[in-house]
Amino acid sequence: GAGVSQSPSNKVTEKGKDVELRCDPISGHTALYWYRQRLGQGLEFLIYFQGNSAPDKSGLPSDRFSAERTGESVSTLTIQRTQQEDSAVYLCASSLLAVEQYFGPGTRLTVT
Amino acid sequence: DQQVKQNSPSLSVQEGRISILNCDYTNSMFDYFLWYKKYPAEGPTFLISISSIKDKNEDGRFTVFLNKSAKHLSLHIVPSQPGDSAVYFCAASAPGNQFYFGTGTSLTVIP
Repeated sequence: GAGVSQSPSNKVTEKGKDVELRCDPISGHTALYWYRQRLGQGLEFLIYFQGNSAPDKSGLPSDRFSAERTGESVSTLTIQRTQQEDSAVYLCASSLLAVEQYFGPGTRLTVT
Repeated sequence: DQQVKQNSPSLSVQEGRISILNCDYTNSMFDYFLWYKKYPAEGPTFLISISSIKDKNEDGRFTVFLNKSAKHLSLHIVPSQPGDSAVYFCAASAPGNQFYFGTGTSLTVIP
């Protein structure tokens, strides 16, 4: 389909390991967002890419978190030295001109 | 600092009645507001939006009302249907900026 895709859908990792989450946005969408949703909580903004502008990283919770985007396509969110509190569903969304966002199905990360 | 707040974590409504979900915001620069619906194990899906130049937007059974002076918006679903049972998030943004989401309201429509 032409929607936002994310991989992997599920990831179980041991505490202290690094993980990389991938997002493929809708083709042509200039904006890409990463969010996190912990169990029982709302959507927590992490980072926002808009075209060639510098990303808005204000939501990244620590320096263990980083994200990259290649042009206006794929984005990867990397979490280094994972901690149990990193366990959450990580959602990616893309949008055109920063209006309605189209979300991917999410990656469920479990840190044991 | 929660700029968008949904103070009701849950709501139960009888099928056929009206569901009213509320959302408050603090940033007067917000000019675009959206509602998303989320089913378990799925990503949120866009439902309806409103810009600050309007005070009402209607799409079928869904209507969003915006009260800028009160910094309040609400989503009305009428008539409510069991398939509407989901978590509803409101979101807001200022021009060129990120979206801020509320913590969600879980709606249960009772058959």
